[in-house]
Amino acid sequence: GENVEQHPSTLSVQEGDSAVIKCTYSDSASNYFPWYKQELGKGPQLIIDIRSNVGEKKDQRIAVTLNKTAKHFSLHITETQPEDSAVYFCAASSQGGSEKLVFGKGTKLTVNP
Amino acid sequence: DADVTQTPRNRITKTGKRIMLECSQTKGHDRMYWYRQDPGLGLRLIYYSFDVKDINKGEISDGYSVSRQAQAKFSLSLESAIPNQTALYFCATSVWDTQYFGPGTRLTVL
Repeated sequence: GENVEQHPSTLSVQEGDSAVIKCTYSDSASNYFPWYKQELGKGPQLIIDIRSNVGEKKDQRIAVTLNKTAKHFSLHITETQPEDSAVYFCAASSQGGSEKLVFGKGTKLTVNP
Repeated sequence: DADVTQTPRNRITKTGKRIMLECSQTKGHDRMYWYRQDPGLGLRLIYYSFDVKDINKGEISDGYSVSRQAQAKFSLSLESAIPNQTALYFCATSVWDTQYFGPGTRLTVL
């Protein structure tokens, strides 16, 4: 089955800097890659996703890139703000949508003011 | 997301007890999921249901059972709780691209 590796497990940046979180997946059939943000005491919330027919997707300060050949995808957050502090999870699915997502283990991002 | 509610929010129980965690949603989604979250291990899928008559095992279903009482309700049961089932449990619903998570139930098994 699918295996998703996520790095780093913790990341600390200064406000205004950029943050990058990387994930690799094992199943070449995976075709949908979402990123979820989990704030303290809450459930995860989808922030951005990408499909295998696209190499990059942006939404304001966040972007996701996908390298199908290398089987890795990354989350980029620019101009970080304290409210970006949270745990971020990547996930992969071969179903084309959010069914049967396999999640990475998470990255705790801390943005220092 | 307030459209997905979980009860109870916190529960402490003893080894061997039966416990049920409940999930309700007002989103009208057919697909519902139960996940378990452990520190450093991310989210792992326990069971999922694509409609009332369709229930499937996930990655870690041993020791758990589920019931889909209606489109809006999906319950998770631990027939005989054990300490390594201490974790944060999330219910989620989905429509195509997005899963919507509830606020979670923190379960402690002593």
